[in-house]
Amino acid sequence: RKEVEQDPGPFNVPEGATVAFNCTYSNSASQSFFWYRQDCRKEPKLLMSVYSSGNEDGRFTAQLNRASQYISLLIRDSKLSDSATYLCVVKHNNNDMRFGAGTRLTVKP
Amino acid sequence: DVKVTQSSRYLVKRTGEKVFLECVQDMDHENMFWYRQDPGLGLRLIYFSYDVKMKEKGDIPEGYSVSREKKERFSLILESASTNQTSMYLCASSTTGGYFWNSNQPQHFGDGTRLSIL
Repeated sequence: RKEVEQDPGPFNVPEGATVAFNCTYSNSASQSFFWYRQDCRKEPKLLMSVYSSGNEDGRFTAQLNRASQYISLLIRDSKLSDSATYLCVVKHNNNDMRFGAGTRLTVKP
Repeated sequence: DVKVTQSSRYLVKRTGEKVFLECVQDMDHENMFWYRQDPGLGLRLIYFSYDVKMKEKGDIPEGYSVSREKKERFSLILESASTNQTSMYLCASSTTGGYFWNSNQPQHFGDGTRLSIL
């Protein structure tokens, strides 16, 4: 079993749709959580950190449930420019980060 | 902005060659990492380093070695390249947050090196 598991995707959605990505992790000692975005043939870039109380950044909302070891990302009013692969990332206390395989999103006009 | 620079975007080498991938960061980060990324497998950690001359094995260290002689530079070495090492290689760096250690420090990635072993 992978340490970080994500919805396999791909998600193909119309512009303006709301999209939810889910992620589960197996190591209960995990300390920090992130969502990264990776465009085709580019490096991963930090989208947002995920805090225990949940946090929002514009159209993006991240949630963390430590008891269930579950992380989510919600994108509202999706744009064409949101098309990318979204990586769920879990960090241990020794700075070791584990990445999910990613969920590919395509937003269509 | 953090800048992580990898020496090559594309590289083609032959089986058996010794290959060096270089990575430099300009933010005085303590931690540096080497990953490879393959379709369907995501990013897998090869090695990481939390200080000069220090290194730790990641999930898939076999066939690789690393060198961290200076804080800003972290090199990945393929001792004798094989075709199953054809992949995208990504270098990353992060800080521990300095004196007030903060676990919520993300990693910053270089552009990646697409390595093909023929």
